[in-house]
Amino acid sequence: LAKTTQPISMDSYEGQEVNITCSHNNIATNDYITWYQQFPSQGPRFIIQGYKTKVTNEVASLFIPADRKSSTLSLPRVSLSDTAVYYCLVGEGNFNKFYFGSGTKLNVKP
Amino acid sequence: EAGVVQSPRYKIIEKKQPVAFWCNPISGHNTLYWYLQNLGQGPELLIRYENEEAVDDSQLPKDRFSAERLKGVDSTLKIQPAELGDSAVYLCASSSSDLARGEQYFGPGTRLTVT
Repeated sequence: LAKTTQPISMDSYEGQEVNITCSHNNIATNDYITWYQQFPSQGPRFIIQGYKTKVTNEVASLFIPADRKSSTLSLPRVSLSDTAVYYCLVGEGNFNKFYFGSGTKLNVKP
Repeated sequence: EAGVVQSPRYKIIEKKQPVAFWCNPISGHNTLYWYLQNLGQGPELLIRYENEEAVDDSQLPKDRFSAERLKGVDSTLKIQPAELGDSAVYLCASSSSDLARGEQYFGPGTRLTVT
């Protein structure tokens, strides 16, 4: 079961782009990389998922280098409401079991 | 579309008492998960159901925890007897094969306090 390493916390200011990097050295060939967001007193919310190169949706972008041993979640122009914990997960091919870890607590300041 | 519903939202019990949590997943989601989340930590999987079958309960402490999903829809997680260390948030999630791999929808959780 591939585990991930993320910074414990990050600070940013409104309007800035935030990049959160995750290390997953033991990623397997059929593993996908998924990011979740969690606000206090709520369950985690799926943000984005990718396998290689770059994935973009209306919320974020996910950059995955060729060796796939790390990934970077990019949040464009963050606002105060983006203050949350962000989890990087690497799952087995069918994603029936994966490891959340402790996540990165992002604090966006005005 | 209604999300994952959990009840109760909060529960305070004394140690050695039983407690049960209920989850109603998103309609049509055949996979249901129960997670435990301690303060400052990410969720940890307790059990996963595919329809009514528990396909992964390897992390469920079976001496005191039990779960059921009798008709393949809603589910109940029970603890009996509760211990002080069981204080945590219990999250339910559901997913479907139509979704992206790893895309789960979580409920708000039940915060359990054991005194």
